[in-house]
Amino acid sequence: GNSVTQMEGPVTLSEEAFLTINCTYTATGYPSLFWYVQYPGEGLQLLLKATKADDKGSNKGFEATYRKETTSFHLEKGSVQVSDSAVYFCALNTGSARQLTFGSGTQLTVLP
Amino acid sequence: EAGVVQSPRYKIIEKKQPVAFWCNPISGHNTLYWYRQNLGQGPELLIRYENEEAVDDSQLPKDRFSAERLKGVDSTLKIQPAELGDSAVYLCASSLDHTTETQYFGPGTRLLVL
Repeated sequence: GNSVTQMEGPVTLSEEAFLTINCTYTATGYPSLFWYVQYPGEGLQLLLKATKADDKGSNKGFEATYRKETTSFHLEKGSVQVSDSAVYFCALNTGSARQLTFGSGTQLTVLP
Repeated sequence: EAGVVQSPRYKIIEKKQPVAFWCNPISGHNTLYWYRQNLGQGPELLIRYENEEAVDDSQLPKDRFSAERLKGVDSTLKIQPAELGDSAVYLCASSLDHTTETQYFGPGTRLLVL
């Protein structure tokens, strides 16, 4: 079956620090990969996605590259801000069902 | 464009009581999803609708959970009777159709069963 493993949190960084949140996956077929972000009290928002190997998704300074050889989709940002404090979820879907399989989430706190 | 709307945002009930959650998807979105998110976990799919048809309800606990999507727009998820373990956030999401990968999520209903 499909599964997503995320780096355990919580992660605490100072403003302007470099961020990496690791994500690896197991899937049948050729999944599309996603990062969703959940701000306090809000629903999940799509942050970025990649649909095939070597694609790079990017948005709001965040990036992630679809690495088929290592089955990974690590999230990176060069300089985090306090406003980036949220829970980040890695997810995948495959096939016509379009059912998203999520990781357990990583809580990020950025301190001023 | 309005996003996915859910109500109520919070609900506290005693065990064995019934509870219902409502979702209004983004206008024009044919596919609707209900997810359950336990504390500290990612969301897990409960049921998926294509228009008014439930096409994947394999993970819905049918002994106490039911859902409907009349007229293929709004949807209601019901639990009767609620158990302590049902405390979670119930998320509704929609997508344009089943071939579209991007799902848009509502803010969720946080349920606490006492």
